[in-house]
Amino acid sequence: ETGVTQSPTHLIKTRGQQVTLRCSSQSGHNTVSWYQQALGQGPQFIFQYYREEENGRGNFPPRFSGLQFPNYSSELNVNALELDDSALYLCASSPLLAIDNEQFFGPGTRLTVL
Amino acid sequence: EDQVTQSPEALRLQEGESSSLNCSYTVSGLRGLFWYRQDPGKGPEFLFTLYSAGEEKEKERLKATLTKKESFLHITAPKPEDSATYLCAVQHSSASKIIFGSGTRLSIRP
Repeated sequence: ETGVTQSPTHLIKTRGQQVTLRCSSQSGHNTVSWYQQALGQGPQFIFQYYREEENGRGNFPPRFSGLQFPNYSSELNVNALELDDSALYLCASSPLLAIDNEQFFGPGTRLTVL
Repeated sequence: EDQVTQSPEALRLQEGESSSLNCSYTVSGLRGLFWYRQDPGKGPEFLFTLYSAGEEKEKERLKATLTKKESFLHITAPKPEDSATYLCAVQHSSASKIIFGSGTRLSIRP
């Protein structure tokens, strides 16, 4: 069983640009959540997708948007990048019948905005 | 407002020296409290979920406990490979949002 994968591993953008990050969920998982983790901080919830619909959103502006596809893979799009968007972006998937409501995290995408 | 505070921020122990990490939380209706481990450059790895006060769970040298206001992660006779950042998180009973604390960076010296 493959785990959660994310691409790219690292990305450098300039302020004002747009970026798309990708996540492939673990097999059998139909829920995906995205998090932003600044250096030295815990992950901050951006939003969650369940069966291709947004199922909850954290305190992030509308320029953070997402998609979930029929195969349960997902994208995070960020428009009009700002310097403070520099962070590790984590994707986490959950199975339909999670024993302990656990999430399985990918390795993350390190985004640097210059 | 839902909130999670972890202490200490960093903890250095000698191999075999037992200790506890604290997670204080404020949430109006707890669906679950989670503990994760995060190694440098990697995503968090699930350890435990606790659902109600008085509950305890164990895994190898780790034991997690829960009260109505806080959770403890007890580490017994730690080894250098236990060095990592330990994250605590809570989920509200009526929301998908999970709130993480800032973590405790644990370092175990041989």
